[in-house]
Amino acid sequence: EMQVVESGGGFIQPGRSLRLSCTGSGFTFSDYAMSWVRQAPGKGLEWVGFIRSKTYGETAEYAASVKGRFTISRDNSKSIAYLQMNSLNTDDTAVYYCTTWGCTSTSCFDTHWGQGTLVTVSS
Amino acid sequence: QSALTQPASVSGSPGQSITISCTGTSSDLGVYNSVSWYQQHPGKAPKLIIFEVNNRPSGVSNRFSGSKSGNTASLTISGLQAEDEADYYCSSYTVNYRVFGGGTKLTVL
Repeated sequence: EMQVVESGGGFIQPGRSLRLSCTGSGFTFSDYAMSWVRQAPGKGLEWVGFIRSKTYGETAEYAASVKGRFTISRDNSKSIAYLQMNSLNTDDTAVYYCTTWGCTSTSCFDTHWGQGTLVTVSS
Repeated sequence: QSALTQPASVSGSPGQSITISCTGTSSDLGVYNSVSWYQQHPGKAPKLIIFEVNNRPSGVSNRFSGSKSGNTASLTISGLQAEDEADYYCSSYTVNYRVFGGGTKLTVL
């Protein structure tokens, strides 16, 4: 069974950095693109970014709201994707979900979701 | 990139059918078939229920169906059940970018 599990969330002060991890199991990790989606308390879903699979060069794309501050990377040998978050502000407070990002010839979507990890940015 | 537009809430009685709309622009929904829908129960992670406009993943009830016309995608739930009460989100993926709708709260009366 395909599964992803996030970790690394917690309480952090504005301006500081935090790294989230997403561990995959039940699938060949290097074959899948991985995505991050966040959800602020009581709000809707917001795309953060994704990183392509090894076949597609492991390049990443980001939402405008996090571009330049957040970096997604991956370690296929450990089946882990990372979300490095720098210069955090209170607007970054959210549950962060990791997903497997699947594509057909004409469409891409989140196939499996983790349980999420809460990041709280506050002084 | 602007968020896709969904109604904030819809409601229906058990056994009825409801439709949730998702409106984009000619640059996203109007061009691409990369539309997906997600169901989220309170306190839970979202779950994929429709991908590529009208395809269901294995295990998702055939009471859920999707469609698209022009810049608007739709999710229809037929034979409404109490367990369908949840938040529903549409999402579109264009070249190197994706966007979600604001979400629709479905209440089963």
